[in-house]
Amino acid sequence: KAGVTQTPRYLIKTRGQQVTLSCSPISGHRSVSWYQQTPGQGLQFLFEYFSETQRNKGNFPGRFSGRQFSNSRSEMNVSTLELGDSALYLCASSWGSYTGELFFGEGSRLTVL
Amino acid sequence: DQQVKQNSPSLSVQEGRISILNCDYTNSMFDYFLWYKKYPAEGPTFLISISSIKDKNEDGRFTVFLNKSAKHLSLHIVPSQPGDSAVYFCAASYKSSGSARQLTFGSGTQLTVLP
Repeated sequence: KAGVTQTPRYLIKTRGQQVTLSCSPISGHRSVSWYQQTPGQGLQFLFEYFSETQRNKGNFPGRFSGRQFSNSRSEMNVSTLELGDSALYLCASSWGSYTGELFFGEGSRLTVL
Repeated sequence: DQQVKQNSPSLSVQEGRISILNCDYTNSMFDYFLWYKKYPAEGPTFLISISSIKDKNEDGRFTVFLNKSAKHLSLHIVPSQPGDSAVYFCAASYKSSGSARQLTFGSGTQLTVLP
């Protein structure tokens, strides 16, 4: 069974640019969540999508957005990049139940110069 | 406002001994707790969980203890093995509006098991 796939794995952008990250969940999973990991901050929740609808959102500025397609694949976009956006962005999928067990991808490492 | 705290950024343990990783939380609405393990260049993987209606859950070498009155949970690994060396994240969740449930993670503890 294929795991969660994230693309690209690594990317470098400059301040002011925008970036789109992609996530393909485990087959059958309808929930996709996005997290930002920075050193010393752990994993910060960005948002969760379930059946193409955003059903939860963390405390990030509006520059961070996402969407989910009918096949459950998800994308997140960051506009007007800032140096502080440099981080590992992790996508996680689940069946969408309340147990909270998530299956994570390997992440997309974004560096903003 | 860190609702889930792991106050020890690192821990070193001798192979074969017990590893104890600690986690504190502040939000009394949390009702489900999980531990994730993360190796470098990989995403976190689920390790073990516990519901707030229990105070202990075991899975092989891993045991999670929950002390609701102290808002504290711990992960015990016995015996520790070099392959257990990784970053361990504590996470907590509660059911928010509608069907939504989100995990709040701690900042992680780097466990090093020395051979």
